[in-house]
Amino acid sequence: AQSVSQHNHHVILSEAASLELGCNYSYGGTVNLFWYVQYPGQHLQLLLKYFSGDPLVKGIKGFEAEFIKSKFSFNLRKPSVQWSDTAEYFCAVNARGSGYSTLTFGKGTMLLVSP
Amino acid sequence: ETGVTQTPRHLVMGMTNKKSLKCEQHLGHNAMYWYKQSAKKPLELMFVYSLEERVENNSVPSRFSPECPNSSHLFLHLHTLQPEDSALYLCASSPTGLDYNEQFFGPGTRLTVL
Repeated sequence: AQSVSQHNHHVILSEAASLELGCNYSYGGTVNLFWYVQYPGQHLQLLLKYFSGDPLVKGIKGFEAEFIKSKFSFNLRKPSVQWSDTAEYFCAVNARGSGYSTLTFGKGTMLLVSP
Repeated sequence: ETGVTQTPRHLVMGMTNKKSLKCEQHLGHNAMYWYKQSAKKPLELMFVYSLEERVENNSVPSRFSPECPNSSHLFLHLHTLQPEDSALYLCASSPTGLDYNEQFFGPGTRLTVL
């Protein structure tokens, strides 16, 4: 079975600071990788995903993530955060070839951006 | 209405009550999911339905009973719950069969068991 580890539970940044949220997964096979975001009072929504091709994936709102297979990592980055990026961020993985979309999530990282 | 909706948004119940959570998706998807989100724990997948057939049940206690009457609706029937079952219950949907598909989530039902 797969598992996901997110390194930080809480991150506090000032506006314009750079962001990197760590995500490592544990699984022996091929995986699909996702970052979801939950803004205050809103639904979980997809930020970006990787399933093949270029390991550097670009998502919505200026976010990107890089899949490093050798490190089992899929870290999320943004060069300059805004106050509106305050949210909880979840990394998730599912095993390739499982036939349907079942996700294993990390515990989440709460990001607070101060203006 | 679009997306994934869940009712009720909040529910308080006693340990002897029977209640049901409802989820409806308006996206034309054929797979639906129930997750449990507890404080300080990752989202836990509870059940998966694909084409109205249960395809996964992650060792969930029998006091939780899912029902998928059609591809647009999913229920979670609750009976004789315990206080530790208090959590946010999220429903999601996705297209069938492809493991890289995005899941679309509803707003959740905040359940409190007294």
